[in-house]
Amino acid sequence: KQEVTQIPAALSVPEGENLVLNCSFTDSAIYNLQWFRQDPGKGLTSLLLIQSSQREQTSGRLNASLDKSSGRSTLYIAASQPGDSATYLCAVRLYTGANSKLTFGKGITLSVRP
Amino acid sequence: DGGITQSPKYLFRKEGQNVTLSCEQNLNHDAMYWYRQDPGQGLRLIYYSQIVNDFQKGDIAEGYSVSREKKESFPLTVTSAQKNPTAFYLCASSVGENNNNEQFFGPGTRLTVL
Repeated sequence: KQEVTQIPAALSVPEGENLVLNCSFTDSAIYNLQWFRQDPGKGLTSLLLIQSSQREQTSGRLNASLDKSSGRSTLYIAASQPGDSATYLCAVRLYTGANSKLTFGKGITLSVRP
Repeated sequence: DGGITQSPKYLFRKEGQNVTLSCEQNLNHDAMYWYRQDPGQGLRLIYYSQIVNDFQKGDIAEGYSVSREKKESFPLTVTSAQKNPTAFYLCASSVGENNNNEQFFGPGTRLTVL
């Protein structure tokens, strides 16, 4: 059974820091991995999706990398801002055909202090 | 303005009552999903549907029911058989199983049992 772990559960940094959020998964036979942002009381916003054949994806100040063999992904946020404060979740999809589904981590709650 | 809408935003239910949560999408997506989110937990899949008039149970389907009569709509009924229904419910959709399967989420419905 696929398990997705995100440690630590919470992180507080001063504004301007570059930071890395980690995601690990137990079954390396994934189809893709998706990073989401969730603001309090809101739905999830898709940030980046990495296919299993890719090593990284970039969008603005965000860069997500994938190392399937070690079961890890990282989300790099450059020059963090208070507006980046949110919970960040990663989710993986196993390469098991039409009925595969996303397995989510519990998320990392990020607070960026002004 | 394309997207996923969920209603209501907040819902209160008395014990023993069934309630139905609405999810509508105008993205022309084939696949739709229902997740439940509890504090400090990852999202858990309740039901999903890959095509109209077809749906499958997820990891925690007991006490829930769904229908998929139209491509745009995937309502979730929380029945009195669900022992602990208080949670945040999220609906999502994706183009389909033969694409990159990026999932997009609605704003959520918070259900509270009184």
